[in-house]
Amino acid sequence: DAGVTQSPTHLIKTRGQHVTLRCSPISGHKSVSWYQQVLGQGPQFIFQYYEKEERGRGNFPDRFSARQFPNYSSELNVNALLLGDSALYLCASSSRWDSSYEQYFGPGTRLTVT
Amino acid sequence: QKEVEQNSGPLSVPEGAIASLNCTYSDRGSQSFFWYRQYSGKSPELIMFIYSNGDKEDGRFTAQLNKASQYVSLLIRDSQPSDSATYLCAFPPRGGTSYGKLTFGQGTILTVHP
Repeated sequence: DAGVTQSPTHLIKTRGQHVTLRCSPISGHKSVSWYQQVLGQGPQFIFQYYEKEERGRGNFPDRFSARQFPNYSSELNVNALLLGDSALYLCASSSRWDSSYEQYFGPGTRLTVT
Repeated sequence: QKEVEQNSGPLSVPEGAIASLNCTYSDRGSQSFFWYRQYSGKSPELIMFIYSNGDKEDGRFTAQLNKASQYVSLLIRDSQPSDSATYLCAFPPRGGTSYGKLTFGQGTILTVHP
């Protein structure tokens, strides 16, 4: 069975641009969470979606937005990129919205903002 | 006060030794804790979770939780070079909020040298 997949693997953008990152959860999983991991730090929670509804939002500016599609895949959008947005963006899927330990992480998208 | 703090690293131990990784947390109501391992350039993978005071053993790994003192630790016995990675402790929010949100520590880099 395929695990969580994310695309693209790497991305280079310039300040002010917009970026869209994509995540496909494990088959049967309806919950997707997004995390940002800056180099040398632990992941920071951005959003959780379950059944296409936002279930949680971390302390990130409104430039960050996300959505979940009927097939449970998800997109994370970041507008007006800043240098500080350079990070590894991780997607995690779970079969339940109320179970933290079942989260499985994808390989991540490495975003570099120049 | 940070929600969760891990012992500063990097930590270097010889092969065969016991590696001790510690994590303190500020929310007395936190119920369960997770230890993730993250190899360089890879995504985090869950290796242990604990929710009761005391010890929990799984192979060479032992997680210890002390709710009164608000710390959780991970012991790795007979450390191997393949254990070299960043270890992250994390905990979910208390009931009624997004369980997809894990709060991570900053991680401790462990190096096991032959």
